[in-house]
Amino acid sequence: QSVLTQPPSASGTPGQRVTISCSGSSSNIGSNNANWYQQLPGTAPKLLIYNNNQRPSGVPDRFSGSKSGTSASLAISGLQSEDEADYYCAAWDASLNGHWVFGGGTKLTVL
Amino acid sequence: QVQLQQSGPGLVKPSQTLSLTCAISGDSVSSNSAAWNWIRQSPSRGLEWLGRTYYRSKWYNHYAVFVKSRIIINPDTSKNQFSLHLNSVTPEDTAVYYCARSGGPLDYWGQGTLVTVSS
Repeated sequence: QSVLTQPPSASGTPGQRVTISCSGSSSNIGSNNANWYQQLPGTAPKLLIYNNNQRPSGVPDRFSGSKSGTSASLAISGLQSEDEADYYCAAWDASLNGHWVFGGGTKLTVL
Repeated sequence: QVQLQQSGPGLVKPSQTLSLTCAISGDSVSSNSAAWNWIRQSPSRGLEWLGRTYYRSKWYNHYAVFVKSRIIINPDTSKNQFSLHLNSVTPEDTAVYYCARSGGPLDYWGQGTLVTVSS
């Protein structure tokens, strides 16, 4: 059971906009930044969004993030077939002397 | 560009010690602004943070509560790398293990090592 809660699956057709939610608590998302990762099969997670809404260099602006209270969201606009992947949210949690916590992941299918 | 290269065995026997190394290029294990982490991923438990080592005028180690009695993370400044040692492993420790840098978010990750605990 992951500390952060994500829907297990999401889907959309090419060109559509999809959003993935991530629900946490006051000790993680509520007081720290949310980050998002994209994981393709057989590869390591890749940082997609950091500090709630910042994109690392090289990440297309089709990807955007937001945070409100103890929840965060990832939005993907202009969906493309190569966006089919697993997406994870993560945040630092201040409880138990501090530790990173993750969502259970959302499998995005491009129909 | 920061790169992390993992090495270590893919098969460990139950009750033995799992040991992995993460070699750093493009940054320093002694950086005053980064921390060096180990994370694992399994289908049953998802992504789990195991611990980190970092230098802020002196070395600090910080471990997840659920592995605190079994884990050691060591920096090696001479080789610019850090290592994970997890003892008394059981089949439940079977997972893909990743090293990762955090200077803020967990931004750079190693390629991952599948470690299977089996006799």
